[in-house]
Amino acid sequence: EDQVTQSPEALRLQEGESSSLNCSYTVSGLRGLFWYRQDPGKGPEFLFTLYSAGEEKEKERLKATLTKKESFLHITAPKPEDSATYLCAVQAVTDSWGKLQFGAGTQVVVTP
Amino acid sequence: KAGVTQTPRYLIKTRGQQVTLSCSPISGHRSVSWYQQTPGQGLQFLFEYFSETQRNKGNFPGRFSGRQFSNSRSEMNVSTLELGDSALYLCASSYDRAAEAFFGQGTRLTVV
Repeated sequence: EDQVTQSPEALRLQEGESSSLNCSYTVSGLRGLFWYRQDPGKGPEFLFTLYSAGEEKEKERLKATLTKKESFLHITAPKPEDSATYLCAVQAVTDSWGKLQFGAGTQVVVTP
Repeated sequence: KAGVTQTPRYLIKTRGQQVTLSCSPISGHRSVSWYQQTPGQGLQFLFEYFSETQRNKGNFPGRFSGRQFSNSRSEMNVSTLELGDSALYLCASSYDRAAEAFFGQGTRLTVV
């Protein structure tokens, strides 16, 4: 059965303290892996799409990487405004197009 | 460019009633997906519409249904509401079925 597991569940960082979030997945075939951030009471905001092992994407203080079994979201020198829940989702080749399977998310709190 | 618009933002309904939620996708986007988000289950896929046809359906009872109009706008309907249907319902649109999905702010449904 396809699974998406995110760790840790929660992360508390001091401003400027870099860290990494993990998303491990077990799917029979990966079409794409997506990262989103979600603020309380709002819809997920798209960050990155990764399609193949070795691929990397960057946006401001965020960098996403992909291997055959997991993806990492690196947060470099975070600021309080980076506080959010970060969600990982996969689209599997065994699923019909348009379906994303989400992990439970990592709640990140960055304190000044 | 306007984002995905969901209406209404908040709803309170009584058990046994039915409800209709609306989603206007980003202009030019043809695929619309619906998700249910709860604290216990996270984000779960409900269904996806493309070219007015339901292409994929998640593991939800038949009380959950939807449709898509020729202008790509979509509605989802939940009949015979149960307390467990209380959730944030999210709509996402994408240009085509393989592209990244952009989410609306969601409709917070409370069933009492």
